[in-house]
Amino acid sequence: DVKVTQSSRYLVKRTGEKVFLECVQDMDHENMFWYRQDPGLGLRLIYFSYDVKMKEKGDIPEGYSVSREKKERFSLILESASTNQTSMYLCASSYPGEGPNTEAFFGQGTRLTVV
Amino acid sequence: AQKITQTQPGMFVQEKEAVTLDCTYDTSDQSYGLFWYKQPSSGEMIFLIYQGSYDEQNATEGRYSLNFQKARKSANLVISASQLGDSAMYFCAMRAFTGNQFYFGTGTSLTVIP
Repeated sequence: DVKVTQSSRYLVKRTGEKVFLECVQDMDHENMFWYRQDPGLGLRLIYFSYDVKMKEKGDIPEGYSVSREKKERFSLILESASTNQTSMYLCASSYPGEGPNTEAFFGQGTRLTVV
Repeated sequence: AQKITQTQPGMFVQEKEAVTLDCTYDTSDQSYGLFWYKQPSSGEMIFLIYQGSYDEQNATEGRYSLNFQKARKSANLVISASQLGDSAMYFCAMRAFTGNQFYFGTGTSLTVIP
């Protein structure tokens, strides 16, 4: 059974803290993604990675960075957490290329609250 | 850039009836995939159905079918014989095969009424 696992289901952090969200996939997927989900806004892409040590900015990268040192692991880093980063964070992975079997597989989500 | 539009923030359907969730997309790419996901209140994203831009037939997966109209750039999800467990958020997504990114719509909240 394919799996994307996020390290925490719920997190509460203080303003100004450095926050690490970890994601691990066991499907040998090249692509990995971090999305942020807010009511009425759908899923917005923060960063994605198409290979180890490779990353590209998504639509809302400000205030975030990422790290991919190993193929199976993709970390999202909030350098200095702010209250407007309170949100649901979803990690996903997928194969590249065309056709079926290229869907994104998602982790269970991390609900982050910054106080 | 790609854009996905879901114009129905909320929908209600009677149990056992069919419902159509709308999705339109905007892309200049010729080769792309369209995806629908279900997100129950528990939060996980469940992949439902895929349609390729070159597929001539509409995709079907059990009670789910995709009404694909390429010229109109629409990819509506049809759920037949609705069940109470179908109550969830539904997201339409697209990925152009020239890139890696998935673009998502804002979602439709479906409520199935007994």
